[in-house]
Amino acid sequence: GENVEQHPSTLSVQEGDSAVIKCTYSDSASNYFPWYKQELGKRPQLIIDIRSNVGEKKDQRIAVTLNKTAKHFSLHITETQPEDSAVYFCAAVRESSYKLIFGSGTRLLVRP
Amino acid sequence: DGGITQSPKYLFRKEGQNVTLSCEQNLNHDAMYWYRQDPGQGLRLIYYSQIVNDFQKGDIAEGYSVSREKKESFPLTVTSAQKNPTAFYLCASSIMTGGGETQYFGPGTRLLVL
Repeated sequence: GENVEQHPSTLSVQEGDSAVIKCTYSDSASNYFPWYKQELGKRPQLIIDIRSNVGEKKDQRIAVTLNKTAKHFSLHITETQPEDSAVYFCAAVRESSYKLIFGSGTRLLVRP
Repeated sequence: DGGITQSPKYLFRKEGQNVTLSCEQNLNHDAMYWYRQDPGQGLRLIYYSQIVNDFQKGDIAEGYSVSREKKESFPLTVTSAQKNPTAFYLCASSIMTGGGETQYFGPGTRLLVL
């Protein structure tokens, strides 16, 4: 079955620096890749997503890139701010499926 | 995700007791899901339902049961057979247009064992 690996498990950056989180997936039929942000004790919230017919997508300080050949996708956060501190989860789902496969999460700490 | 509600926010279970977690959505979504999250861990799928009166087991269904009698509601029962139920339980929903759709999460229920 599908497996999603996420790295690093923890990431500490200085405010204003960039942060990059990487995920790899095993099922070549996966075609939808959302990223969720979860603050302590709260629900996961979608921050950006990408489909397999697109290589990159940006939304202000957040971007996601997808390399279908290598089966990996990455979240890029530029000009990090303390409020970006949270746990970030990547996920993948194959076409015609409704079962999201989540990565194990990355705890991001942005130091003021 | 504002259209998905879960209750209660906190729930305490005694040994041998069954408890039911509520999940309601007014987004007109066809699919609904239950996840379990242990401290510092990722999300694991318990059950999901794509249509009323039908549901499928996820990766960790043992000790749990669900029903889907209405499109808007997908309650989860944690039975006494679940020996380690302490966790954060998240309900989610999505539209269905052929697969690969965004899931939106409810605020969660934190279950604790007395």
